Amino acid sequence: DVKVTQSSRYLVKRTGEKVFLECVQDMDHENMFWYRQDPGLGLRLIYFSYDVKMKEKGDIPEGYSVSREKKERFSLILESASTNQTSMYLCASSGGNEKLFFGSGTQLSVL
Amino acid sequence: DQQVKQNSPSLSVQEGRISILNCDYTNSMFDYFLWYKKYPAEGPTFLISISSIKDKNEDGRFTVFLNKSAKHLSLHIVPSQPGDSAVYFCAASVLQGAQKLVFGQGTRLTINP
Repeated sequence: DVKVTQSSRYLVKRTGEKVFLECVQDMDHENMFWYRQDPGLGLRLIYFSYDVKMKEKGDIPEGYSVSREKKERFSLILESASTNQTSMYLCASSGGNEKLFFGSGTQLSVL
Repeated sequence: DQQVKQNSPSLSVQEGRISILNCDYTNSMFDYFLWYKKYPAEGPTFLISISSIKDKNEDGRFTVFLNKSAKHLSLHIVPSQPGDSAVYFCAASVLQGAQKLVFGQGTRLTINP
């Protein structure tokens, strides 16, 4: 069974902290994505990666960076967390089409 | 600017009846459309898709209709079952295979027994 695993279900951080959100997929997928989900706004694409060490900006990359050192792992980094980054973060992977497989999400609260 | 819009935040339907979820888009370059379903505490899962060369795609109880001239698509679920209660997201991409999806805001569907 395909699996996308996000390291934390809930996270509470303070303003200004550096935050790492980790995502691992076991499907040997080339493509990985980070979205955030906010009420009334749906899912918005932050960053995506088509290959190891490759990254591309999505629609809302400001305040975020990513790292993909290995094919199965895609990390989202908040260099200096702010309260407006409080959100549900969803990682996804795909094998070359629009059928994305999502993780269960990380609810991040920045206080 | 919301390119994919789901104007109904919620919808309540009686079990056994038809559920109709609607989605509008503004970008005429979109040519592939998908619906995802999300249960609480889980990530979204793919439900059904349609290419712009079609106006209908059916998969069991789920049918998606596309009206390109109106830039509108809808998801029909018939008959509705309690397990269909979830949040449904409409999504679109500029090119099939491009994978960069634009999602709508979501509609929470509740099926009442």
